[in-house]
Amino acid sequence: SQKIEQNSEALNIQEGKTATLTCNYTNYSPAYLQWYRQDPGRGPVFLLLIRENEKEKRKERLKVTFDTTLKQSLFHITASQPADSATYLCALVRGNQFYFGTGTSLTVIP
Amino acid sequence: DTEVTQTPKHLVMGMTNKKSLKCEQHMGHRAMYWYKQKAKKPPELMFVYSYEKLSINESVPSRFSPECPNSSLLNLHLHALQPEDSALYLCASSQEGLAGDLGTDTQYFGPGTRLTVL
Repeated sequence: SQKIEQNSEALNIQEGKTATLTCNYTNYSPAYLQWYRQDPGRGPVFLLLIRENEKEKRKERLKVTFDTTLKQSLFHITASQPADSATYLCALVRGNQFYFGTGTSLTVIP
Repeated sequence: DTEVTQTPKHLVMGMTNKKSLKCEQHMGHRAMYWYKQKAKKPPELMFVYSYEKLSINESVPSRFSPECPNSSLLNLHLHALQPEDSALYLCASSQEGLAGDLGTDTQYFGPGTRLTVL
């Protein structure tokens, strides 16, 4: 089965810096990779998706890259703000298989 | 209206009780999902309904019984649960689900029901 790991359980960065979160997977490459944000006690909120044949996607301060050779996706938040503090989840999709990664808790320090 | 609502927000039940979780969306989505999330863990997919038919059952114990009365409603019936079933139960919906392309079909999540089994 697919194993999905996200870098360190928790990441602390200073406001204004770029946060970089990683999502590593084993086994087969997903057709799509999605990124979600989850705040405590709430459901995940979709942010971005990237296809296996795409290298990079951007949306405002967010950037996602996808390297099928390394079996890795990177999620960047530039000019980070305290409001960006949350847990970020990657999700891998292939056919009808949908799996969330372990999540990374990001804290942006003012 | 891009909201998925779930009731109740909190539920405490004994192992012999029968209860139901409810989920509703009015976005015209044809796919609905149940997830289970334990503390500090990612959501785990339990069931997927696509066009009111059960499409995916991820080897969930029979003490969890899903029901989709219509395209806007999704229930999860609970019976004879165990304490280890205590978790946040999330409902989600998407435009097409398995009828379309799951990878590009954005899921909208509800706030969840916090379930405690005593």
